[in-house]
Amino acid sequence: QVQLQESGPGLVKPSETLSLTCSVSGDSIRSYYWNWIRQTPGKGLEWIGYIHYSGSTNYNPSLRSRVTISMDTSKDQFSLSLKSVTAADTAVYYCARGIRPTPGGYWGQGTLVTVSS
Amino acid sequence: DIQLTQSPSSLSASVGDRVTITCQASQDINKYLNWFQQKPGKAPKLLMYDASNLEIGVPARFSGSGSGTDFTFTISGLQPEDFATYFCQQFDKLPITFGQGTRLDIK
Repeated sequence: QVQLQESGPGLVKPSETLSLTCSVSGDSIRSYYWNWIRQTPGKGLEWIGYIHYSGSTNYNPSLRSRVTISMDTSKDQFSLSLKSVTAADTAVYYCARGIRPTPGGYWGQGTLVTVSS
Repeated sequence: DIQLTQSPSSLSASVGDRVTITCQASQDINKYLNWFQQKPGKAPKLLMYDASNLEIGVPARFSGSGSGTDFTFTISGLQPEDFATYFCQQFDKLPITFGQGTRLDIK
């Protein structure tokens, strides 16, 4: 059974860096595409980017200057780093697996990150 | 970015009803459209991929069609567990984008 679990701080101060990790069990991240998506009541679902098991990445242009997605194959984890956060980055953050370059059938439960001083 | 416009934004229906949601893309996305269901406090769940293919384990009362810019998603014979929010999502061109969602409530 493939499972994904997000982890990281639930509160981040403005101008600091948001860092989240997605731990994958029941599968290896040496295959597929590994996505980050976020959701807010105002903007809905927003795709942040993905990393392919080869290490190549694609990011949403709206966030590209602030985002890095990386992976640690030894731990079957991939991570999101979003720098210089503002209140607008407050959202529920999801990680998701895709067989193709899109989120697919396996998502984490989501984690709420609030940006506030 | 490709804009996806879902219609309606919300609708009310009864158990046993047939409901249809549409998703219109701002440009041709071929067949590269997914449909997701989301319940409060839960992650989106993939129901359909490539516009008309049912994800494994998803009941056959869900169906989808379309290509290009116009897509439809239908639930035939609503069940109590189907009351949720539904999203379309395209992956033909980056960035991947989602529709704004259709909230399906019990009448």
